[in-house]
Amino acid sequence: NAGVTQTPKFQVLKTGQSMTLQCAQDMNHEYMSWYRQDPGMGLRLIHYSVGAGITDQGEVPNGYNVSRSTTEDFPLRLLSAAPSQTSVYFCASSYSRQGDFPLHFGNGTRLTVT
Amino acid sequence: SQQGEEDPQALSIQEGENATMNCSYKTSINNLQWYRQNSGRGLVHLILIRSNEREKHSGRLRVTLDTSKKSSSLLITASRAADTASYFCATDPISSGSARQLTFGSGTQLTVLP
Repeated sequence: NAGVTQTPKFQVLKTGQSMTLQCAQDMNHEYMSWYRQDPGMGLRLIHYSVGAGITDQGEVPNGYNVSRSTTEDFPLRLLSAAPSQTSVYFCASSYSRQGDFPLHFGNGTRLTVT
Repeated sequence: SQQGEEDPQALSIQEGENATMNCSYKTSINNLQWYRQNSGRGLVHLILIRSNEREKHSGRLRVTLDTSKKSSSLLITASRAADTASYFCATDPISSGSARQLTFGSGTQLTVLP
């Protein structure tokens, strides 16, 4: 039981490049989400999904796309990377869309955009 | 926007002492959760307290919630060097709608000195 797996662990991009951050969970969780963590700002919600085929925007969605074709996978796409997207990205999942179940986090992807 | 704000931002104590961290939030909530983050890792769920609860215990952890003051505290008793980590509160606001949108504070960095 691996939990939430994120790849890659580290990535360096040039401005304007695109890439996909991968996230997979093996707990059959309904809810999945992406957060970014910046120094002094806590975690901010980018996008979330309450089930296969259903996604919605969080607090800071601009510049990012998501899709949820299966229950297990929730990739995050950066369309045209910008230095402001330099951050640590966390994928998290939960049993339910309701807020009274804990979030399970992956170990993060550290992204640098030059 | 950050719903929860932790205080203090950093705390340094000796092994065996108690550590208290506080969290204040702005809007009405369904529940409040505390998470721990070790350096370079994802967040790990510690404890959830619902809005109709005032106090909850889990091992060496004690959480209180005062909805009238919109604040919570996390007490770690008899601290150990292994408790060194960042601690975050996360709130599940009543305005979340159909799906959770947990909002995280910026965290308290706890250092336990051996």
